[in-house]
Amino acid sequence: EVQLLESGGGLVQPGGSLRLSCEASGFTFSSYSMSWVRQAPGKGLECVSSIHPGGERTYYTDSVMGRFTISRDDSKNTLYLQMNSLRADDTAIYYCAKPSSNPGLFDYWGQGTLVTVSS
Amino acid sequence: DIVMTQSPDSLAVSLGERATINCKSSQSILYSSNNKNYLAWYQQKPGQPPKLLINWASTRESGIPDRFSGSGSGTDFNLTISILQAEDVAVYYCQQYYSNPPWTFGQGTKVEIK
Repeated sequence: EVQLLESGGGLVQPGGSLRLSCEASGFTFSSYSMSWVRQAPGKGLECVSSIHPGGERTYYTDSVMGRFTISRDDSKNTLYLQMNSLRADDTAIYYCAKPSSNPGLFDYWGQGTLVTVSS
Repeated sequence: DIVMTQSPDSLAVSLGERATINCKSSQSILYSSNNKNYLAWYQQKPGQPPKLLINWASTRESGIPDRFSGSGSGTDFNLTISILQAEDVAVYYCQQYYSNPPWTFGQGTKVEIK
């Protein structure tokens, strides 16, 4: 059974940092690209960052470029999102998402971890 | 970036009736080499992550009831719930996964019981 378990969210002041983790199980983690998708309170879905198998190729949405870094540790079946210089508009639930037959088609999602940026 | 626009933003339908949601993409998401539309539909209930319902515009995921169907091609797509059940109350999102990221979502359509 595929499971994705996010952790690391919490309350942080503007300008602060957080590191999100997503522990995966039930599939060959190293063979899949992985993504972080966020949802601001009461809003829609936004793909924030993705990383290809092997980790050489990454993607970031414009609003987080230069502030967020996605990485993976295939030996630990874990996906990370290092978030620096956090802003109020980064407040959201952050989901870890696994793709199926296409890198952008997400067939499994974690339960999400809430990041709140506020003073 | 490909912009996905859903209509309506919300929809109230009587139990047992049909609900139809439209999704338009700002450019074609039909890949000519394989004749596939790179369009998915997700259902999100309160407090839960999104759930994949339909991929390739019209293929239901395993376990999804056949009252859910997807149609359309190119830039214009529909999700239809043929006989609305109480458990179908949710927000529905379309998403394009054409080519490289960003893979973008529609703004969502809230389906409620009339």
